[in-house]
Amino acid sequence: NAGVTQTPKFQVLKTGQSMTLQCAQDMNHNSMYWYRQDPGMGLRLIYYSASEGTTDKGEVPNGYNVSRLNKREFSLRLESAAPSQTSVYFCASRAYAQGLGYGYTFGSGTRLTVV
Amino acid sequence: AQTVTQSQPEMSVQEAETVTLSCTYDTSESDYYLFWYKQPPSRQMILVIRQEAYKQQNATENRFSVNFQKAAKSFSLKISDSQLGDAAMYFCAYRRGGTSYGKLTFGQGTILTVHP
Repeated sequence: NAGVTQTPKFQVLKTGQSMTLQCAQDMNHNSMYWYRQDPGMGLRLIYYSASEGTTDKGEVPNGYNVSRLNKREFSLRLESAAPSQTSVYFCASRAYAQGLGYGYTFGSGTRLTVV
Repeated sequence: AQTVTQSQPEMSVQEAETVTLSCTYDTSESDYYLFWYKQPPSRQMILVIRQEAYKQQNATENRFSVNFQKAAKSFSLKISDSQLGDAAMYFCAYRRGGTSYGKLTFGQGTILTVHP
């Protein structure tokens, strides 16, 4: 089924470890996003990629890096995980549909715990 | 910077009744879009309804409707004939029009409980 695929779905890290969250979409969307969801704070934008080959910081980029590997894939890397990065991470993509405007598709999320 | 505020952390409703979720936002822009997303326990983000700021008519989608008050910067969601499947976290979101690269700003969320 077409959509946004995130891996892994769950992960436990020790403080200081590194990991990469993977995201891929098969809808030929230009724009992709990484959000984190924390209780009482909603979803906050970490990084985004308006098109292949470009990336830019969002609201909470500290401690993260991203790579837009190609049009399909947009990965999020934690170089040295900290307990404050315990969160649920969502990848999303966006495309324009004639008559409907822009629409967003979200992945199912990655629950990350840093101990 | 734009902000979105949902002042009701939790709401509850009896099945078949009506409930209204509140959302206010702050922006100096005139071109923007507003959204309500539903997040059930599966964590899936589901678009419930969207509103273009330039449209005066309130958006409706079946049992879901909004009360868009542009001058007051208010965007509430009304759920009529509530069903057990409506139980979820609901997020209000804002997107600036024009060259905003589609960045969404979300509110804090409201947990909706539906009692049978």
